[in-house]
Formats: sequence, C-alpha cells, structure tokens
Amino acid sequence: QKEVEQDPGPLSVPEGAIVSLNCTYSNSAFQYFMWYRQYSRKGPELLMYTYSSGNKEDGRFTAQVDKSSKYISLFIRDSQPSDSATYLCASGYSGGGADGLTFGKGTHLIIQP
Amino acid sequence: DSGVTQTPKHLITATGQRVTLRCSPRSGDLSVYWYQQSLDQGLQFLIQYYNGEERAKGNILERFSAQQFPDLHSELNLSSLELGDSALYFCASSVGVSNTGELFFGEGSRLTVL
Repeated sequence: QKEVEQDPGPLSVPEGAIVSLNCTYSNSAFQYFMWYRQYSRKGPELLMYTYSSGNKEDGRFTAQVDKSSKYISLFIRDSQPSDSATYLCASGYSGGGADGLTFGKGTHLIIQP
Repeated sequence: DSGVTQTPKHLITATGQRVTLRCSPRSGDLSVYWYQQSLDQGLQFLIQYYNGEERAKGNILERFSAQQFPDLHSELNLSSLELGDSALYFCASSVGVSNTGELFFGEGSRLTVL
C-alpha cells in the first residue's frame, strides 16, 4: 500500500462547478500536507500548504486536512477551464527529509467550458 | 516561472547509452532534489543535495548518480540506459536543508530510451 493514495481520474466537471479532490494517507507521522498543480508538459507548482489538521483558504481554493481519518481534500470553487490540470497531493513530516516526502500519483481534472 | 532551469527539455537515446541532465536552482536555494515521474509510479524521489553535499537518497538506481557543484547547479547522470528509464526527470529546489514540502520544480527533462 502506497503511503499517499488518490484517484487518478479523469474527473470532468462543467465550468463553474465546485470541485472536490481527495487523498488518503497511511503514515500517522505526516504533519505537512500539500497540493501541487501540474499542467501538461510542465513541472508541479505548489498550490496549497497546510500544517497539521484544519482548513486553509486561498482565493477559490480551500485545503482541508482531517488527521483523525487521514484524509486530505482540495476544494475549488467557481472552477475555470484554466484549472484543468493534474493535482498531486503530498505529505511529509518534520525531520523526515526529502525521502520522507511522499506524493500521490495525481488526479487529472478537466473543466469543461 | 519557478526560477528552476533544466536542460535539455527532451532527449532521445538508445539502450545502453549514458546521458546527463542539468539543473540550475532558484537564486538563493541551496537544496536541489531530483525526481522521476512516470505514469505508473508517479513522482518518485531520487536524491537530494544541499550546498554540495548529498543529503538524502531515495529510490535511485546504482546506474544513476548525481552531484552538486560549487555554483549550486546539479547534474544527474543516467548510464546503461534501459527502456524502463524513459520518464520525466524533474529537478526541484528549496532554500533550506529540511524538506517540509515547499519545493520549486523545473519544467523537467523528458527522456525517451529506444
């Protein structure tokens, strides 16, 4: 079992819809939770960063972490065609080093105009 | 633009050959990370260098090696290439030595082994 799991999709939704992307993780030591966005033929870019449990909001994006259920979510409001990309969740822990940072395989999101 | 530069963007070579991928980190970043991305394995950590020294090692094959030079640019050497080495290779950088996940990725080098 991989330490971070996410549905590869594709997830296709109409423009303007609320999108919910989810990951589960297995390592209780994880303290840092990230969402990276990767456009086709580009490198991943950090979108949201959360430490421990709770919510974090940035514009149309909200990241949510529930450590009790080991569940990570990213919500996108008023989705736009420019949001079409692959979204990677990642988790790590303090002192874990680079080898302790684990990425999910990514969910491919398509926003239909 | 992340500020991380990778060359070449595309590379096509034959099995058994050797290639070198190059990375220049963001200005001021001392850590460089190499990742391999394939459809079936996702983003896999290979190795990290911090200020010229190897800091952490992941799933890097013995046929692969890397180094970071005094000007902080890094090179990833892939030798005795096999078909399965075809993938996207990403370089990322960060300011410090402890990786808390805030990485800045380059656009990648796409390697095709025929």
